[in-house]
Amino acid sequence: EAQVTQNPRYLITVTGKKLTVTCSQNMNHEYMSWYRQDPGLGLRQIYYSMNVEVTDKGDVPEGYKVSRKEKRNFPLILESPSPNQTSLYFCASSYSVGRYNEQFFGPGTRLTVL
Amino acid sequence: GQQVMQIPQYQHVQEGEDFTTYCNSSTTLSNIQWYKQRPGGHPVFLIQLVKSGEVKKQKRLTFQFGEAKKNSSLHITATQTTDVGTYFCAGPSGGYQKVTFGIGTKLQVIP
Repeated sequence: EAQVTQNPRYLITVTGKKLTVTCSQNMNHEYMSWYRQDPGLGLRQIYYSMNVEVTDKGDVPEGYKVSRKEKRNFPLILESPSPNQTSLYFCASSYSVGRYNEQFFGPGTRLTVL
Repeated sequence: GQQVMQIPQYQHVQEGEDFTTYCNSSTTLSNIQWYKQRPGGHPVFLIQLVKSGEVKKQKRLTFQFGEAKKNSSLHITATQTTDVGTYFCAGPSGGYQKVTFGIGTKLQVIP
């Protein structure tokens, strides 16, 4: 089954404790992306990756890191989480950018930073 | 940077009434996509519009892309309780590599 998986689905942590949210897709998609969703602000893009070893900042990259060592995986790293990073996070992938760029979303990770 | 504005932010309708959400971009878009997110779920792709003035239908849903490719709309005829959710538009930005989403329109359908 074609899908995007994220782990963990729920996470409660404390300020400053490094964490990683994993994302994996099995569709051989080139483009992967991370979004955060906050009430009243919609979905905002954090980072995206055009392909292996090619990543770039989205609209809200501060406090986040990503890597793309393999095509299928795109982990989101919070080196020193802060309470303002409490949010619902979605990973998404698409075949490419341009015309054929339907994005498939993972189930989401709800993060709470105390 | 590019902004994608979407209105209304919330809409309550009686079951059977029509519903429309509008999306406006500050720049011309090469394409626009629409997604639906059910309560507690993740966004799911509905459709992509590419051509100026394009109109596409999916059963009771009608999607339009403006002539100037800066605005779009989603119209639902005779809403049903299964239409409940948040509808987002999204367009490419930053050299077509980034994606900007509208704020979303949350639809509630009263049975």
